[in-house]
Amino acid sequence: GEDVEQSLFLSVREGDSSVINCTYTDSSSTYLYWYKQEPGAGLQLLTYIFSNMDMKQDQRLTVLLNKKDKHLSLRIADTQTGDSAIYFCAERGGGFKTIFGAGTRLFVKA
Amino acid sequence: GAVVSQHPSRVICKSGTSVKIECRSLDFQATTMFWYRQFPKQSLMLMATSNEGSKATYEQGVEKDKFLINHASLTLSTLTVTSAHPEDSSFYICSAALAENNEQFFGPGTRLTVL
Repeated sequence: GEDVEQSLFLSVREGDSSVINCTYTDSSSTYLYWYKQEPGAGLQLLTYIFSNMDMKQDQRLTVLLNKKDKHLSLRIADTQTGDSAIYFCAERGGGFKTIFGAGTRLFVKA
Repeated sequence: GAVVSQHPSRVICKSGTSVKIECRSLDFQATTMFWYRQFPKQSLMLMATSNEGSKATYEQGVEKDKFLINHASLTLSTLTVTSAHPEDSSFYICSAALAENNEQFFGPGTRLTVL
C-alpha cells in the first residue's frame, strides 16, 4: 500500500536553514503537502505542491519535488525558535485519501 | 481560508461511558469529512471517511460499532466513542474537504482521556 517516510528528528541552530526530507511510494500522487503541528494543537497547512511541479517557494519555505525518485523536501530558511514543531509530509492520490508520514520533530537551538 | 472547528477541545471521561466529538466546517460546505487518530509522537491514522447523508467508510482495523460516525449535514460530522476504555485515550482530529477541489482543512483536534 501507500507509504510515506520521513526522518524523526532534526536539530538546527537559529538562523540556519532546515531541510526536512520525505519519500513516498504512491506514483499516482497528485498533491504533496507539508503540515506543521505545534504541541497540543491540530495541523496547520504550510504549503503544498502539485505533482507536475518540481519546486515551489513561499517566503522562507522552499519545496522541492523529485517525482522520479518520489522524494519531497521542505527547506526553511533562517530558521527561528518559533519554527520548532513537528512537520508532517503527506501525499494524496486521485481520490480523497491523504497518507501522512510519521512527522519530523524540528528542534531549533538559540 | 476555510475554518474547521472541533468541540470539545479536551474531554476526560470515565471508563465505560460514551463521548461525542463534533467537527464543524464554519464557512464552507463539506460533503466529505475525515476522522483521524493520533497517538503520542506518532502520525495521523485515518479512521474513517464520512460522507454527508450516507454511512461512513471505515479503515481496516477500526471498529465501526466502537467509533460511531454521523454526518448529518454539510457542515457537521460527529464521532462518538462508545464504551470508552483507557486505550481509547488519544488525540482525535477531523478534516473537511472542499467540494470543488477536495482540499482538506483540519480541525484543532480533541484530546480524549479515559480514566
